[in-house]
Amino acid sequence: EPEVTQTPSHQVTQMGQEVILRCVPISNHLYFYWYRQILGQKVEFLVSFYNNEISEKSEIFDDQFSVERPDGSNFTLKIRSTKLEDSAMYFCASAGQLYYEQYFGPGTRLTVT
Amino acid sequence: KQEVTQIPAALSVPEGENLVLNCSFTDSAIYNLQWFRQDPGKGLTSLLLIQSSQREQTSGRLNASLDKSSGRSTLYIAASQPGDSATYLCAVPPNNNAGNMLTFGGGTRLMVKP
Repeated sequence: EPEVTQTPSHQVTQMGQEVILRCVPISNHLYFYWYRQILGQKVEFLVSFYNNEISEKSEIFDDQFSVERPDGSNFTLKIRSTKLEDSAMYFCASAGQLYYEQYFGPGTRLTVT
Repeated sequence: KQEVTQIPAALSVPEGENLVLNCSFTDSAIYNLQWFRQDPGKGLTSLLLIQSSQREQTSGRLNASLDKSSGRSTLYIAASQPGDSATYLCAVPPNNNAGNMLTFGGGTRLMVKP
């Protein structure tokens, strides 16, 4: 069964460094998302991407964040200058046009020290 | 702004019990509702999706119902097993654009004791 994959599974970085989190969505899906979950808190929406552009973003998704779909398969989230409060599990999701059901990847645990 | 609440926050039951998890949302203008399962430190697995025009959806021992007008959904798990132990999340997208963001509840942490 097709699935969303994410790499790396765990990333440790120092405050102020740039990180890129990578995702391979399900191949025939058209909608792509990033969410995050700080330990013990709700899953929060960051950004959605459709037709090669951002379709919606939350207040969390400020100028330090960017997304890209550099080729036909990858979808990336870049954090330019990480802060301690960026430590969280980051989930990528994708959806097709059948009921718009979102499928999530296993997540990347980002630890900022 | 949509708010999603799940009650109870945690639930512990003996194996074999039938149980009900609750989800409520403040804005009834939703396109659909998804129930997810999350194991500790893992990703989210989609369990069921109910479209706004549906009243319920079933998959195996799971049955989800939706009452859009009252802003509620329930997830019924029949004959619970220890392997059902996980956190269960509900989430809704706004009605205006189905391809957009999900708003999540805080989850119900379920433990099924052998």
